[in-house]
Amino acid sequence: AQKVTQAQTEISVVEKEDVTLDCVYETRDTTYYLFWYKQPPSGELVFLIRRNSFDEQNEISGRYSWNFQKSTSSFNFTITASQVVDSAVYFCALSEAKNYGQNFVFGPGTRLSVLP
Amino acid sequence: DTAVSQTPKYLVTQMGNDKSIKCEQNLGHDTMYWYKQDSKKFLKIMFSYNNKELIINETVPNRFSPKSPDKAHLNLHINSLELGDSAVYFCASSQVRDPPNEQFFGPGTRLTVL
Repeated sequence: AQKVTQAQTEISVVEKEDVTLDCVYETRDTTYYLFWYKQPPSGELVFLIRRNSFDEQNEISGRYSWNFQKSTSSFNFTITASQVVDSAVYFCALSEAKNYGQNFVFGPGTRLSVLP
Repeated sequence: DTAVSQTPKYLVTQMGNDKSIKCEQNLGHDTMYWYKQDSKKFLKIMFSYNNKELIINETVPNRFSPKSPDKAHLNLHINSLELGDSAVYFCASSQVRDPPNEQFFGPGTRLTVL
C-alpha cells in the first residue's frame, strides 16, 4: 500500500528565511510519481511539480527546489528567501505507475506561515 | 475559461437532506475525481471515473454516489446527509497515461450540514 508522511504539521518562519518541507513516502512499486501541491488561504489546490521514480535529479524553479532521494524515500521541498505569499498548506502526493495516475495518495500537509 | 468548475461553492443544509454537487471540466481529460478535505485539511480520494466507468471507490458510505453523464462531468450526489459529511469537496480531472499527468482541481465546495 502506498503512503505519504509529512511529519511537520506547521512551520513558521520569518520572511527571507529558507525553509524545507519534508515528505517521506512508502510504496512497493519500482515505478511511481511524486507531486507537490500548494493550497493557499483562498483554498484552491495548485500543482507545483511532478517527479518520476527514475529521475533523481534535483530540480530548481525560481525560489523553489526539490530534493528527491530514493535511498531514504524522501522528496523534500525547499523555499529559498521565503515571502509572505508563500504562506499556504503544502501537500506531497504519490501515484503508483500501475494505477496510471488513477489513485493519488496525499500526505497530511504542512501548514507554512511566513511572517513579515 | 475555468478549467475545472464546481457548483455550488457553498452548500448549507439540514441533516437528512439529499444534495448534489456538480463538476465540469473543459480540459478534455478522460478521468475525473472527487476528494473530501476535512477540517484538519486531510485530502482523501473518494471516487474516480475514467471514460464513464468507476475505477476507484474508496471506503465511502454508499450514501455518496458519483454520476457521470459524459466525460466532461462528474456530479456527486449525497443522500441522507449527516453532520460528519461537513467538509470541503474537491473535484479534479487528469489525463490518465504513463507518466500520469498532474490533477487539476476545482475551487472546492464547502458543505455544512446542520
